[in-house]
Amino acid sequence: VQVVESGGGLAKPGGSLRLSCTASGLKFDDAWMTWVRQAPGKGLQWVGRIKNKGSGETICAAPVNDRFTISRDDSKAAVYLQMSSLKTEDTAVYYCAWIGDALTGHLASWGQGTLVTVSS
Amino acid sequence: EIVLTQSPGTLSLSPGERATLSCRASQSISINSLAWYQQRPGQAPRVLIYGASNRATGIPDRFSGSGSGTDFTLTISRLEPEDFAVYYCQHYGGSLYTFGQGTKLQIK
Repeated sequence: VQVVESGGGLAKPGGSLRLSCTASGLKFDDAWMTWVRQAPGKGLQWVGRIKNKGSGETICAAPVNDRFTISRDDSKAAVYLQMSSLKTEDTAVYYCAWIGDALTGHLASWGQGTLVTVSS
Repeated sequence: EIVLTQSPGTLSLSPGERATLSCRASQSISINSLAWYQQRPGQAPRVLIYGASNRATGIPDRFSGSGSGTDFTLTISRLEPEDFAVYYCQHYGGSLYTFGQGTKLQIK
C-alpha cells in the first residue's frame, strides 16, 4: 500500500488550504482513511477520519472540527482535507494514513507527509 | 476521552540492551485498540504493533507488545542501531484516535 499527500504550502492566518491524498495497492472503496498532524518538534495529533465509500461518515478532532472537512473521491482513490480559518497553530506536517483494520483502528500505511505553514 | 501517558519521556540505552516502554491509559481500554508506532528522524511513523501484541508485517521479532486494562508495554529485546527513534502508543475507541506524547529512545 502506498499513500501520497500533496497540497501543502504557505497560507495566511484566516486563509484556506486543501490537502490531497492518494492511495494505491488496496481496495480503496473499502478503505477507511485518516489524517494526522505533527507540529514542529512535537508529537502526533489525530485530525480526522473518513469511513469507506459505503458510509463516507467523517469525524474530526475537537480542535479542528468546525474548520476542517474531510471528503473522498473513490473514482480517483483520493481523500481530501479542506482546511479553513487557518491559525498559526495549524502549522504542521500533515500525514494521511490508511486504517488497516476498522476494528483495531491502527494506521497501517502512512504517506511521507506534507508541510503546512500558517504565517502572515 | 482516553488520555495515554507514556513513560519515560526519554530512555538512554546502548545497542544490545533491552528496552521497555510504557503506555498507561486514563481508563481501561480494549487490548484490540492499542497500537505502537516508531518514528525515525525525518520519516513518517510506521506501525510496529497492533491489538496490543500483534506484530505488523515486516516487523522484526525483537519487538513485542503486551498489557491489558490500563497498562501496556512495548519491549525491544536487543536494541539495534536503527531502533533509536521516537515511539508512540495509540488508542482507537468511540470513533476517536488518541496518541501518547511519545518516548524518545536515544543512544547512551
